[in-house]
Amino acid sequence: GAGVSQSPRYKVTKRGQDVALRCDPISGHVSLYWYRQALGQGPEFLTYFNYEAQQDKSGLPNDRFSAERPEGSISTLTIQRTEQRDSAMYRCASSFRRGGYTDTQYFGPGTRLTVL
Amino acid sequence: GEDVEQSLFLSVREGDSSVINCTYTDSSSTYLYWYKQEPGAGLQLLTYIFSNMDMKQDQRLTVLLNKKDKHLSLRIADTQTGDSAIYFCAFTSNSGNTPLVFGKGTRLSVIA
Repeated sequence: GAGVSQSPRYKVTKRGQDVALRCDPISGHVSLYWYRQALGQGPEFLTYFNYEAQQDKSGLPNDRFSAERPEGSISTLTIQRTEQRDSAMYRCASSFRRGGYTDTQYFGPGTRLTVL
Repeated sequence: GEDVEQSLFLSVREGDSSVINCTYTDSSSTYLYWYKQEPGAGLQLLTYIFSNMDMKQDQRLTVLLNKKDKHLSLRIADTQTGDSAIYFCAFTSNSGNTPLVFGKGTRLSVIA
């Protein structure tokens, strides 16, 4: 696709429900990142993948959060037993990764999650 | 955002220059970025600078980097109402793919 896409754009759920957020990176991009952005804050890192391998998950706040990228393309961020404090904008980014050097991260529009 | 500091608000008149400042603490910062966030939109990359550079100019945008003081600035010349947005500075460490560390963002308001 032309850019990073995320779905759904908005998700409202009740506390205790599980949610799955999807990210479709730019075609050919090797690296995929998940960030969470609270109101009035900058994005904060959650986890990232190179191809299908999860390289770093140190930013996941607890074990209710998990992510996968089974075929090295689309990724899903899953939040189990959602809590109100999980409400935020969840942003996905992808980058090409040339020869091991940092490459620009391009962001999708985000998923606004509201937990009631 | 605790490693990156930005002032929260800036207001300028249309046609004036805007200067958005950012300070960071990580001396290993290698790549420094400016992103723009408009309401309801994703984060748009504006420009970036490598740590071995002092200045980078791209049309109306000028980025200045003072490594000694760990200070990064973004100057927007001839600011327009369409420049109203939140501007984030961000950096990565090392040369491999690593996550971005963002500031809290500066909200730029342009008065017509």
